[in-house]
Amino acid sequence: NAGVTQTPKFQVLKTGQSMTLQCAQDMNHNSMYWYRQDPGMGLRLIYYSASEGTTDKGEVPNGYNVSRLNKREFSLRLESAAPSQTSVYFCASRGLPGLAGGHTDTQYFGPGTRLTVL
Amino acid sequence: EDKVVQSPLSLVVHEGDTVTLNCSYEVTNFRSLLWYKQEKKAPTFLFMLTSSGIEKKSGRLSSILDKKELSSILNITATQTGDSAIYLCAVLSSGSARQLTFGSGTQLTVLP
Repeated sequence: NAGVTQTPKFQVLKTGQSMTLQCAQDMNHNSMYWYRQDPGMGLRLIYYSASEGTTDKGEVPNGYNVSRLNKREFSLRLESAAPSQTSVYFCASRGLPGLAGGHTDTQYFGPGTRLTVL
Repeated sequence: EDKVVQSPLSLVVHEGDTVTLNCSYEVTNFRSLLWYKQEKKAPTFLFMLTSSGIEKKSGRLSSILDKKELSSILNITATQTGDSAIYLCAVLSSGSARQLTFGSGTQLTVLP
């Protein structure tokens, strides 16, 4: 089991460029999430998908769009990047993992994408 | 608006010390409280607490929830340099998506 994977690991963009962050999970979880983490602010929810075919806004959705491509994949798109979107982005999925332990309420995180917008 | 506050924001101790990290919350439709440890990359799950007064333990780490006081503490005894990390508290609200609201974290540094 790879768990939650994210690509790319690092990205530098210029203001106004677009890009898509990819996330995939192999734990057969229904719910998936995108967070951003900024210094001193913890993790803030951008968008989430409670199940395949549904997406909803979180705390800080402006400037982002998402696609739940199938049960495994949940992508985050920046249409026109701004310096305020410089952050570390984490994808997570929720549910019982393939390994022992865990709970349906536990969210499991990917390794993150460090994005810099110049 | 749901809110989670952690204290202290940072803490520096020496190996062998015992530390207590605090988390307080104001959340509608509380379901559970989770603790995560974040080293250089992704947060990793430590504990989930749902019932008040029941301590969860894992090795030198333990945590307890006080629903009356809307708070939780995370204790680490006999700290080691490998305990150095950011400890995140998050509260889960009821609802189909089980959204987590995170505190800003406590940065723990354990010196040899």
